[in-house]
Amino acid sequence: GESVGLHLPTLSVQEGDNSIINCAYSNSASDYFIWYKQESGKGPQFIIDIRSNMDKRQGQRVTVLLNKTVKHLSLQIAATQPGDSAVYFCAESSESGATNKLIFGTGTLLAVQP
Amino acid sequence: DGGITQSPKYLFRKEGQNVTLSCEQNLNHDAMYWYRQDPGQGLRLIYYSQIVNDFQKGDIAEGYSVSREKKESFPLTVTSAQKNPTAFYLCASNPGQDSNQPQHFGDGTRLSIL
Repeated sequence: GESVGLHLPTLSVQEGDNSIINCAYSNSASDYFIWYKQESGKGPQFIIDIRSNMDKRQGQRVTVLLNKTVKHLSLQIAATQPGDSAVYFCAESSESGATNKLIFGTGTLLAVQP
Repeated sequence: DGGITQSPKYLFRKEGQNVTLSCEQNLNHDAMYWYRQDPGQGLRLIYYSQIVNDFQKGDIAEGYSVSREKKESFPLTVTSAQKNPTAFYLCASNPGQDSNQPQHFGDGTRLSIL
């Protein structure tokens, strides 16, 4: 299949372990953040989002943490499975309150070892 | 099933040729977007449309054109003026700027030069 990114940071984990993927954002005025998962040859798939009035948000097996002080966002995946192997990237909104102008990170490749 | 459909999945362009990428959505979304993805880089916004018959340039609009004659359709034309068109093109949509909803993506079109 096609590669969606070359020379990406890679996180290698064992099946069943927890994964933590990090993202640093640049704009202190950004107030909306999203995590996407992208499998090879496919479009990005929405995972979870968070607004700046929250520090933490949980979904199914995933948790997003937001630290506005250091402009840092993380995605935690519990009990990582082989199907979680993909490129994960964060996006921030560049205009307050708007979801139309997103700035995307370059991504992290998550490799799950069986 | 509701979703975003991009076609074709693979497209080849000859020198001096314009090509058009299709994006159709049946989600009744007002807003649609076109992004370009290159290896090792984040998604970059080409054009976006918040409503029918209206669209705005994104960060890398040169060499591209769009139309939004129907709510469900937002085709992208890669013109001969785009000198480096080889990339993975992604279309996205969301209900609109004030909807507080994330963008959802199609599965992309990979464009290559013959």
